[in-house]
Amino acid sequence: QKEVEQNSGPLSVPEGAIASLNCTYSDRGSQSFFWYRQYSGKSPELIMFIYSNGDKEDGRFTAQLNKASQYVSLLIRDSQPSDSATYLCAVEGRTYKYIFGTGTRLKVLA
Amino acid sequence: NAGVTQTPKFQVLKTGQSMTLQCAQDMNHNSMYWYRQDPGMGLRLIYYSASEGTTDKGEVPNGYNVSRLNKREFSLRLESAAPSQTSVYFCASSEPAGGYEKLFFGSGTQLSVL
Repeated sequence: QKEVEQNSGPLSVPEGAIASLNCTYSDRGSQSFFWYRQYSGKSPELIMFIYSNGDKEDGRFTAQLNKASQYVSLLIRDSQPSDSATYLCAVEGRTYKYIFGTGTRLKVLA
Repeated sequence: NAGVTQTPKFQVLKTGQSMTLQCAQDMNHNSMYWYRQDPGMGLRLIYYSASEGTTDKGEVPNGYNVSRLNKREFSLRLESAAPSQTSVYFCASSEPAGGYEKLFFGSGTQLSVL
């Protein structure tokens, strides 16, 4: 089992819809969780950080964390074509600072 | 403010050749990292440096060496390149940001080993 798992996609949603991206992790001791956005050919950039169970909202983005289920999600409301990118889930690991998932490719259709 | 600068952006090597990827940050960060990104594998940590003068192995260190020359610079060396090292390499630095380390990535180096 991979330490951080994501569906590779692509996840296609129409413009204006809610995009829901999911991530599961294996280390129950993980404390910090991150979502990075990576446009094609570019470097990752941090868009959300969460460490408490529940929801954290920042503009159109909401991160959700459920430590009991070892599950992190990212919701993007009112999706725009400019949101089309690969979204990487990352978890703070015991041995290495961050363990990244393989990413989910999101396509927002105009 | 340049942030994290990597050179070169593209490189093609033949098997057995050596090269050094350069990375410099101007944000006065203590921690620096080298990652590789491969399709279907995500970002994997090669080496990291928590501070000037210290380096530690990451998840995939074999075939690589690093040097933390000073606080600004962290280089990655391939002594004898292999086709399995074809990848996109990202350098990053980090700063404390309210209970976690915020990563800042360079623009990446696309390396092909033939």
